[in-house]
Amino acid sequence: RKEVEQDPGPFNVPEGATVAFNCTYSNSASQSFFWYRQDCRKEPKLLMSVYSSGNEDGRFTAQLNRASQYISLLIRDSKLSDSATYLCAVANAGKSTFGDGTTLTVKP
Amino acid sequence: SAVISQKPSRDICQRGTSLTIQCQVDSQVTMMFWYRQQPGQSLTLIATANQGSEATYESGFVIDKFPISRPNLTFSTLTVSNMSPEDSSIYLCSVEGLAGGYNEQFFGPGTRLTVL
Repeated sequence: RKEVEQDPGPFNVPEGATVAFNCTYSNSASQSFFWYRQDCRKEPKLLMSVYSSGNEDGRFTAQLNRASQYISLLIRDSKLSDSATYLCAVANAGKSTFGDGTTLTVKP
Repeated sequence: SAVISQKPSRDICQRGTSLTIQCQVDSQVTMMFWYRQQPGQSLTLIATANQGSEATYESGFVIDKFPISRPNLTFSTLTVSNMSPEDSSIYLCSVEGLAGGYNEQFFGPGTRLTVL
C-alpha cells in the first residue's frame, strides 16, 4: 500500500462546478499536510497548507481528518485556470511524501 | 520563499554516460532534497543532502548511482551515473520553507533528462 493515496482522476468539470479531491495517508505520526499544484511541465508549487481546524483561501477549502487519516481539497466555482494536477503531500520529520496527483480539467 | 535555480534545464544523454545536475538556492538552508518525477507519476524522494555530511538515501536509491555533493548551505549537485533509458525523468531539487509555521517545500524548475 502506498504511503499517500489520492483519487486517481482525471476530473473533467465545467466552469463554475465544485470539485473535491481526497487523499489518505498511512503514517499516523505525520505532522504536516499540504496541497500542491503542478502545471504541465512545471515544478509543483504550494497551494495550501492543511490545518487541523481546516482552512479556506478564497475558492479553496482544505480539511484534515486525523482520526481517519485523510485530507481533502474543495474547489468552488472552478475556473479554466484551475486546470492542473493537484498533489497532496504529507510531511514527517522534514521529509515529504507525495501522492500521485489528481488531474483536473475545467472546460468552458 | 526560496528561489531555486537548476542547471541544466534539460539534457539528452547517451546510455552509459553520467550527468551532474546543479541546484542553487538564494538563501542558506540546512537540508536540500532531490526528487525524481517519472512521466505521469508523482515525486519520489531520492535523498536528503545535508551540508557537511553524507547524503541520506531513500530505499531503492544508492550513492553509487546518484552521488550527491553539498559543499555549502546554498548549493548541491546530483549526479546520475551510468545512465540507462529508465533514468529518463525530471529531477527536482527542493528546500524547506515556512508557510504559516508549517514546513512546505519549495522546488526548483527541474531538469528534464532523456536517456537514449
